[in-house]
Amino acid sequence: GQQLNQSPQSMFIQEGEDVSMNCTSSSIFNTWLWYKQDPGEGPVLLIALYKAGELTSNGRLTAQFGITRKDSFLNISASIPSDVGIYFCAGANNNDMRFGAGTRLTVKP
Amino acid sequence: NAGVTQTPKFQVLKTGQSMTLQCAQDMNHEYMSWYRQDPGMGLRLIHYSVGAGITDQGEVPNGYNVSRSTTEDFPLRLLSAAPSQTSVYFCASSPHLGTQYFGPGTRLLVL
Repeated sequence: GQQLNQSPQSMFIQEGEDVSMNCTSSSIFNTWLWYKQDPGEGPVLLIALYKAGELTSNGRLTAQFGITRKDSFLNISASIPSDVGIYFCAGANNNDMRFGAGTRLTVKP
Repeated sequence: NAGVTQTPKFQVLKTGQSMTLQCAQDMNHEYMSWYRQDPGMGLRLIHYSVGAGITDQGEVPNGYNVSRSTTEDFPLRLLSAAPSQTSVYFCASSPHLGTQYFGPGTRLLVL
């Protein structure tokens, strides 16, 4: 099946630093998405990308849909303590969606 | 709107028992899906439905059944629970694939 490789697995950063994480796949996806999950809760959609090359921002978050349609990255600028959580990438084709294993972000005040 | 609701929040089963995880949404979304989340593996799609009366298998469907008799409800049935089904289960709904709204999850332990 289609597998997504998400990196890094975890990050420990200082408040105010920028963060970058990415996701790659051996298969093409028509849609790339980024979710954040807080402990004990379901994932919440941060950014959805629908077109190869698309660059989209949501506040301090910026994500891009790779030209090859096999990768995507998420950047968080000027991190704050509430950015702590697990970030998941997801690729979608037709009615199938696959998730990466997640990047656990810790922000030190 | 309540969004996506799931019951129960926690459940402990013995091997071989059956149970149904409930999922309901009040947003009139056509697309609903079930995922399981295991440590280090992200979320894996179990089954999905693109509308009432239509269901299909996802990445890991074995051991689970679903039905979609109404737009609002999408229950997940475990026919004979196994320890390998210990996991956190999330239901999601969306107007189309991608912008999914997830429920709070059901934590299942199979002994």
